[in-house]
Amino acid sequence: AAGVIQSPRHLIKEKRETATLKCYPIPRHDTVYWYQQGPGQDPQFLISFYEKMQSDKGSIPDRFSAQQFSDYHSELNMSSLELGDSALYFCASSHSGGEGEKLFFGSGTQLSVL
Amino acid sequence: AQKVTQAQTEISVVEKEDVTLDCVYETRDTTYYLFWYKQPPSGELVFLIRRNSFDEQNEISGRYSWNFQKSTSSFNFTITASQVVDSAVYFCALSELFTGANSKLTFGKGITLSVRP
Repeated sequence: AAGVIQSPRHLIKEKRETATLKCYPIPRHDTVYWYQQGPGQDPQFLISFYEKMQSDKGSIPDRFSAQQFSDYHSELNMSSLELGDSALYFCASSHSGGEGEKLFFGSGTQLSVL
Repeated sequence: AQKVTQAQTEISVVEKEDVTLDCVYETRDTTYYLFWYKQPPSGELVFLIRRNSFDEQNEISGRYSWNFQKSTSSFNFTITASQVVDSAVYFCALSELFTGANSKLTFGKGITLSVRP
């Protein structure tokens, strides 16, 4: 079965650079979530989109922005990167059904900021 | 505010032992969902189970079983006859529900399980 696809798997950037992470949800899933997991930490919710509109916002820095496109894929744009942005970034998708949907996670993008 | 507490941080067992991972949660919602995810060394998050707040039946899936006790706000996970491949970080999570569409997860800090041969 198709899963959530994230690209790239690994990304190395330097401080103050920008990065773009991409997420392709499971077909027919209409909701996308972004989570950030620092080393040895639990995943923290950043932002979510439902039907291409932002639906909720968590602890996402102002330097980050995201959007969901007409084909439901999503991109997380990160500017002025800092050392503390080094983390595993997960995208998850779900199909909204009025219940607590199962969130299916991608394999993550490991971002290293040097 | 919602909170998930996984008091155990690291557990080490020998293969074939049974092991229980504890999860205690806090929420003011009357309707909520609880999840367990497994994160093996490769890093991906693997969905294990979802349970809604109205269903207190325990569940068994192969060597895995879950005990949901609403009275104590606990959702514990037991692995029977553990295997080396069970070595991973296990996260318990709670979902907030919004009207209509989507929900986000609040994770516990995770429990690192090491199963030795």
